[in-house]
Parts: sequence; C-alpha cells; structure tokens
Amino acid sequence: TQLLEQSPQFLSIQEGENLTVYCNSSSVFSSLQWYRQEPGEGPVLLVTVVTGGEVKKLKRLTFQFGDARKDSSLHITAAQPGDTGLYLCAGEPGRRALTFGSGTRLQVQP
Amino acid sequence: GAGVSQSPSNKVTEKGKDVELRCDPISGHTALYWYRQSLGQGLEFLIYFQGNSAPDKSGLPSDRFSAERTGGSVSTLTIQRTQQEDSAVYLCASQGLPDQPQHFGDGTRLSIL
Repeated sequence: TQLLEQSPQFLSIQEGENLTVYCNSSSVFSSLQWYRQEPGEGPVLLVTVVTGGEVKKLKRLTFQFGDARKDSSLHITAAQPGDTGLYLCAGEPGRRALTFGSGTRLQVQP
Repeated sequence: GAGVSQSPSNKVTEKGKDVELRCDPISGHTALYWYRQSLGQGLEFLIYFQGNSAPDKSGLPSDRFSAERTGGSVSTLTIQRTQQEDSAVYLCASQGLPDQPQHFGDGTRLSIL
C-alpha cells in the first residue's frame, strides 16, 4: 500500500505568518495533487504537480514536487484567515482512484 | 446542476439498519468514485466506476458495503447492517477524461447510533 504522510497534522498561526506543509511517501507517484477542504464541503483541487522538481505558484501558495517524485510541499506566504481549512495531498498510485494523506488542519488567526 | 450532488447531506440511523447514499455526478463524466472520510482525516478510497467496465471494488472494507451505478450516471452506495464504525462522511467524485481533475460533492455525513 502506498501511503502519504502529512506534517504537521495541526497548525495554528497568526495572520501574516509564513508556513510550510509537507507530504512524504516512500513510493513514487506519477503525480501529486493538493486540495483544500472546508467544513461541510468536499475537497477542492488547488494544483497538480507531475514533473520531479516542479514548482508551481498560485498567488501566495507555492507547491513543489520532489526530484524523486516521492514528496511534495506547500508553502503559504503571509497567511490570511481565508486560508483556514484542511489541506490534503493526494497521489495516483497507478490506478485512477487517489491515495490521500491524512491532512493538515490550518487555522489562521486574525 | 453544474456540480456533483449527493443526498442526503446528513443521515442518522440506528445500528443494524441499512442505508443508501446517492450521488449524481457531473453530466457527461464517465468516471465516478466513492471515498470515506473519518473526522478530520484524509479520504479512504472505496469503489470506482469507469464507463461500462467492471467496477474497482478493492477499497470496500467489508461485504456489507456495495455500490451500483445505473445507466452510467447516478450511483448508490449501500451499507447493510450498519455498525458504529461506519460513521463518517461519504464523498463522491466524478471525472471526465483521465487527465482531468476529480470533482467532489459535499458528502453525506452518516452517523450510526
């Protein structure tokens, strides 16, 4: 079974601070996706990274895929209260259904 | 509607009862997935339908769980003889082409008393 481990599990920070969330696996993934989920809603896709070493930016969010395609990180600059939510990484382990990490719950205090 | 629709949004039932959860995917999407999410956790794959192919049932946790997809559209997930450990949010997602993202519904929150 290909597992994805996320860290930290919980993160509570003040508005304006920077943070990084990590997603690690011992297995290689063809691609990794990052989702954000708010209470009572389904996950919403933020980005997909497919190439080892790839860096993608989405406004204040920077996503990186490790060179070996086993890990990924999400960095948020100058966090806002609107960034609060559950961040999930997910990979495709050779079938189309996704394998999800356990998530990082982020709370940004105003 | 434009998105994936799931019903009911909440379901409370007694242990031992059967439940049916419904998913209406985005029109034209050929792939449909069911996942389960325990409180504050990641999603656990349950079952996957692709067109008319036999479904991938490898994630179903026990034979009390089953799902069908009628006419390549609406899907129903059935849990028989529910147990307290079945309490979770059940999420459905649909997908068009393989390189397109999965679109999730808002889930059904199932509580077993």
